[in-house]
Amino acid sequence: GAGVSQSPSNKVTEKGKDVELRCDPISGHTALYWYRQRLGQGLEFLIYFQGNSAPDKSGLPSDRFSAERTGESVSTLTIQRTQQEDSAVYLCASSLSTGVETQYFGPGTRLLVL
Amino acid sequence: AQTVTQSQPEMSVQEAETVTLSCTYDTSESDYYLFWYKQPPSRQMILVIRQEAYKQQNATENRFSVNFQKAAKSFSLKISDSQLGDAAMYFCAYRNQGGKLIFGQGTELSVKP
Repeated sequence: GAGVSQSPSNKVTEKGKDVELRCDPISGHTALYWYRQRLGQGLEFLIYFQGNSAPDKSGLPSDRFSAERTGESVSTLTIQRTQQEDSAVYLCASSLSTGVETQYFGPGTRLLVL
Repeated sequence: AQTVTQSQPEMSVQEAETVTLSCTYDTSESDYYLFWYKQPPSRQMILVIRQEAYKQQNATENRFSVNFQKAAKSFSLKISDSQLGDAAMYFCAYRNQGGKLIFGQGTELSVKP
C-alpha cells in the first residue's frame, strides 16, 4: 500500500478489557509515531519508534499503555484494563527518519470504551 | 516545553474569498519546523504546508501560504480563493528536535457557497 494503514478502523470495548491497535507504516519508513485525539481536541503525542526502539515514551498516559514495534515495520499499541477516558481516535504516523522528514498519517482507529 | 496555541476555534469564509488562520507557539529552540495539517471528517490528517524555522522566506503551496514571524513566534495560514473542499479542521503543529509533533487545538473552517 502507498500510505499508512491502521486496524481496526473502529473498536468498541467494555471497560476493563484489553485492546490492541495496529499500525502498518509506509514501507521504508524507520520512524513511527502514535498520537491520541480526544473528541474536539488536537493530537497528543504518545510514543515514537526509531527502528524497533522507543527513545521517547513520555506521552504514554499511564502504565496501562504500552507499544511495541517489530521488524522495523508493524507497531501495536496496547491498552490494558481500558477506562472510559481512553475513548479517542488513535492515530499513527510514519516518516523516513526522525530528522527533517514529514510525518504521514494513517486514518486512525476510533476507540469507544463503554 | 513547547506549546502551540490556535485562538480561533471556528472560522468561516465565503467561497472564492481569502481567510487567515492564526497560530502562535512558544519554544526556546532555535531550529524547528512548523506545519499546518488539514483534517476533514474522514479523520485523515493531510499535510498542507511546512516551514523550516531557519528559512526567512514564507512557504507557499498553490493557494496556501504562511506568514512566519519568528521573533513573534507566529505562524498563520492564508487560504486564497477558498473552495468548498477546503472545509475541514486545521491544525498548526510544531516539531521539536526529537521529531514529535506538538499540535494546537485546531480551527474548524467552514466555507459558504
